[in-house]
This record gives sequence, structure tokens and C-alpha cells, in this order.
Amino acid sequence: EAQVTQNPRYLITVTGKKLTVTCSQNMNHEYMSWYRQDPGLGLRQIYYSMNVEVTDKGDVPEGYKVSRKEKRNFPLILESPSPNQTSLYFCASSSSGTGGETQYFGPGTRLLVL
Amino acid sequence: TQLLEQSPQFLSIQEGENLTVYCNSSSVFSSLQWYRQEPGEGPVLLVTVVTGGEVKKLKRLTFQFGDARKDSSLHITAAQPGDTGLYLCAGRNSNYQLIWGAGTKLIIKP
Repeated sequence: EAQVTQNPRYLITVTGKKLTVTCSQNMNHEYMSWYRQDPGLGLRQIYYSMNVEVTDKGDVPEGYKVSRKEKRNFPLILESPSPNQTSLYFCASSSSGTGGETQYFGPGTRLLVL
Repeated sequence: TQLLEQSPQFLSIQEGENLTVYCNSSSVFSSLQWYRQEPGEGPVLLVTVVTGGEVKKLKRLTFQFGDARKDSSLHITAAQPGDTGLYLCAGRNSNYQLIWGAGTKLIIKP
């Protein structure tokens, strides 16, 4: 089954404790991205990757890091989480990032930073 | 900053009624997509419109792309409780960025 998986689905942590949210897709997609979703603000892109070893900032990259060492994986790293990073996070992938192709989303990771 | 404004932000109606959700911008998009998101899940693509004036139908859902490719609408006929969800529009700009609306939360009461 074609899918995007994220782990963990739920995470409670404390300020400053480094964490990683994993994302994996099995569709051989070149384009992957991370979003955060907050009430009333919609989806805001954090980082995206057009291909292996190619990453770029989205609209809200501060406080986040990503890496794309393999085509299928695109982890999101919070080196020193803060309460304003409490949010619902989605990973997404598509065949490319340039056209009207479908973006496939993971199930989301709900993060609470105390 | 490009914006896609969705209206209304929230809509609660009875089963069987019709409704329209709007997605407006001052910018031109090469394509526009509509997604539906249910609680606890990621958004799922419903449709992509590409040509100005284009109309696409998906069962009881009708999607239209404005002639100038700056706006779009989603019309639902005879809404069902299964249509409940968050509807998101997203437009692709000339820099290939996907610009997202904030969403319309739709509740259909039985």
C-alpha cells in the first residue's frame, strides 16, 4: 500500500530536549516536505526537499532541521524544542514539487512541548 | 506575502442542504487543489484544477477554478454527514510554491 508513515504519532516532551520525528514514504517520490498545522493558520511549510541531499527552507524553518540522506526518509529534528513548537506536524511527499501532482500526507504527529 | 483566503472559516448545516466554500486570492496560480482532512488524519486530495474556468465534478461536489485563476469554489449538493471535515485549498504559484488556505471546517448534522 502506497503510504507516508510518521513516528511517533503523539509526543510530550520538555523544553530543550532534542527530538526527532521520522517520516518515510514507499512511493519513490522525489519531493518531500514538512508542515505544521495550527488552528486558524492552516498548513505552513517548514522545510522541503526536492531530492536526496537537496533541502530548502519553507515559510517557518526557525528551530527546525531536516536531512535527506535517502530518498524514502525525511526526518524532522528539533534540537531544542520550545513551547511555541507545540503543534500538529505533517510530512508529505509527491512525485515532484513543481506541478499539480498529488501530495500524499502522513497521519500527523501531535507534539506538546512543556 | 501571497495569501489564499478561505470563507467561511466554519459552517454547520443540516443534512440535505447545499453549500459553497470559497478560496480567494489576488495572485494567479498555475493550478489549485482542494483537500479534505478528517480528525486524526492528514489531508487527502479531492481535485486539481488547472485551466481558468474549469469545472470538475466529484459525485455531489463541484469544483470551479476562476477565469483569471485567482479563485476557486467548492459546491456541495445535498450535504451528507460523511462530508464533515476540514476543507483546504492550495494554489501553486509561479515559483512552484504551494500556498495554503487556512481551511473551512464543515459540520453536517444528521
